[in-house]
Amino acid sequence: QVQLVQSGAELKKPGASVKVSCEASGYTLTNYYIHWVRQAPGQGLEWMGVVNPSDGSTTYSQKFQGRVTMTSDTSTSTVYMQLTSLRVQDTAVYYCARRERSFYYDTNGGYGYYYYMDVWGTGTTVTVS
Amino acid sequence: DIQLTQSPSSLSASVGDRVTVTCRASQSITNYLNWYQQRPGKAPELLIYAASSLHSEVPSRFSGSGSGTDFTLTINSLQPEDFATYYCQQSYSTPYTFGQGTKLEIK
Repeated sequence: QVQLVQSGAELKKPGASVKVSCEASGYTLTNYYIHWVRQAPGQGLEWMGVVNPSDGSTTYSQKFQGRVTMTSDTSTSTVYMQLTSLRVQDTAVYYCARRERSFYYDTNGGYGYYYYMDVWGTGTTVTVS
Repeated sequence: DIQLTQSPSSLSASVGDRVTVTCRASQSITNYLNWYQQRPGKAPELLIYAASSLHSEVPSRFSGSGSGTDFTLTINSLQPEDFATYYCQQSYSTPYTFGQGTKLEIK
């Protein structure tokens, strides 16, 4: 079945970097973009960015621009998210999620895709202390 | 950035009840609105995409509606496993923002 399995928990010092992995199975990695979303303790969900494993192109949230790098290794079906200059406020569970899309054609002649996150990773707890 | 505001932030209900959660966007997002369920300690799960399309294997007691700026998630005949936190999310433009969440608790 389709799965995204993430790397284990990390404990980091402020100022350090962390690299979280997300291994895809049950489908072809290059056929779907991968989002990264984080959740601070007791808080809501925050979108960080998205990577296209097919060509490595990325779109990052402005909030993380300059500190985050999302990459992929198609030989191992794995996507990575590296966050640098860690702060205590970066303590969170980090999720990867697959981007699915659904084509639509409307009555006005327009068409396009709806995008949504249909499969989520197991989550990786990153603690900065 | 597009802001999504959910209401209520928390809700108490009983098994068998019907509940509605609303999500309001700071600008029109047409139908680019998704809903997720998150149980404690678990990853979110997709319920509804494109405002009203039910994701595969999601029970039919869940439904979504709305377009433009106002959206609703309705759960008919609440089941024990439905007590969780619900998030809306827009995919109209990056950054793909989420609502702050609605926690559904057992009365």
